[in-house]
Amino acid sequence: GAGVSQSPSNKVTEKGKDVELRCDPISGHTALYWYRQSLGQGLEFLIYFQGNSAPDKSGLPSDRFSAERTGGSVSTLTIQRTQQEDSAVYLCASSSGTGSFQPQHFGDGTRLSIL
Amino acid sequence: AQTVTQSQPEMSVQEAETVTLSCTYDTSESDYYLFWYKQPPSRQMILVIRQEAYKQQNATENRFSVNFQKAAKSFSLKISDSQLGDAAMYFCAYRSGADKIIFGKGTRLHILP
Repeated sequence: GAGVSQSPSNKVTEKGKDVELRCDPISGHTALYWYRQSLGQGLEFLIYFQGNSAPDKSGLPSDRFSAERTGGSVSTLTIQRTQQEDSAVYLCASSSGTGSFQPQHFGDGTRLSIL
Repeated sequence: AQTVTQSQPEMSVQEAETVTLSCTYDTSESDYYLFWYKQPPSRQMILVIRQEAYKQQNATENRFSVNFQKAAKSFSLKISDSQLGDAAMYFCAYRSGADKIIFGKGTRLHILP
């Protein structure tokens, strides 16, 4: 597709369950980012993939959070044993890795609600 | 560590008037890039304007312009002739090299008809 695609757009789950959020970046974009945005708040950086380099995981809030990027394209963010404080919109973005002037292109996000 | 600060959590402006959103940042780098993103209620993040630090000329995109003061580490966004569709959260962002982009906490802009 032409833009960053995220699925599902909404996810409601019970506390303690595991969830997987998917991001399909723009074709050819080597950089991929995950952010978390709580209601009315700014973007909280989670993890950053750049090409074949080791990902920058410095923003992951706990070991319940993990992400992988297979084949340099699609990425999955996994949250294990979800807690109510995990409720937020999870945004994915991608950018061309050829120069830091390249802006990020965002998906529409996944709204995660933990009951 | 680099930080981005937006000191105005909310602002309001009358339709057709001009408004300026503030952004300051902290960095020891000399070469970097600055961005303003807009997030309307639909929650899609949209790039508004970007500035290369080595360029002294302020970037302009139609009704949107920036006032980039490198020595003061200030990067404000000016919106002229405000329109109802400009109502959104506005985020200032910084990037240096191949590092991750750092966002400010945002300013919610209300347009008064």
